[in-house]
Amino acid sequence: EVQLVESGGGLVQPGGSLRLSCAASGFTFSDHYADWVRQAPGKGLEWVGRSRNKANSYTTEYAASVKGRFSISRDDSKNSLYLQMNSLKTEDTAVYYCAREVGASAFDYWGQGTLVTVSS
Amino acid sequence: SYVLTQPPSVSVAPGKTARITCGGNNIGSKSVHWYQQRPGQAPVVVIYYDGDRPSGIPERFSGSNSGNTATLTISRVEAGDEADYYCQVWDSSSYHWVFGGGTKLTVL
Repeated sequence: EVQLVESGGGLVQPGGSLRLSCAASGFTFSDHYADWVRQAPGKGLEWVGRSRNKANSYTTEYAASVKGRFSISRDDSKNSLYLQMNSLKTEDTAVYYCAREVGASAFDYWGQGTLVTVSS
Repeated sequence: SYVLTQPPSVSVAPGKTARITCGGNNIGSKSVHWYQQRPGQAPVVVIYYDGDRPSGIPERFSGSNSGNTATLTISRVEAGDEADYYCQVWDSSSYHWVFGGGTKLTVL
């Protein structure tokens, strides 16, 4: 069974940092692209960024709203995806989901999400 | 940047057909994916590549895409279809995934 489990969310002050993790199981993680998507309270889905697979040199892309502040990495030996978030702003408050991309296309599996609250 | 426009809400009676649109400049040249998100849950893909249905998704769900509008059609709507629906495309000019603003489907 494919599973994605996020962790690392919590309360952080503006300007602070946080690192989210996503543990994957039930499939060959190294074969797939993986993404982070967030959803602010009561709002819609916002794509945060993507990590391509080893075959595509683990290249990453980021939404303009987080570029330069957030960084995506992965450790295929641990079947894990990470999101390092720096210089956090109140508008980064959201549930953060990791998702598996199927064939560099739709997101076919999502985690349950982890809540990040940026507040003083 | 590429923008996808969805109506904020659509209402439909049980047993009727719901159509949720997703507008974008020449969206017909892109592949559109649709997600269903029930309250408190993670999104689930219900249509990918404009009109393909993942296993486990009822045949009542279908999709089309042409010109400047993609459409998610839900036939014989049931109470359990009440959810938020999002369209998604890959913007190859910016190397970004883009989501529509979402449409809340209400079953009357």
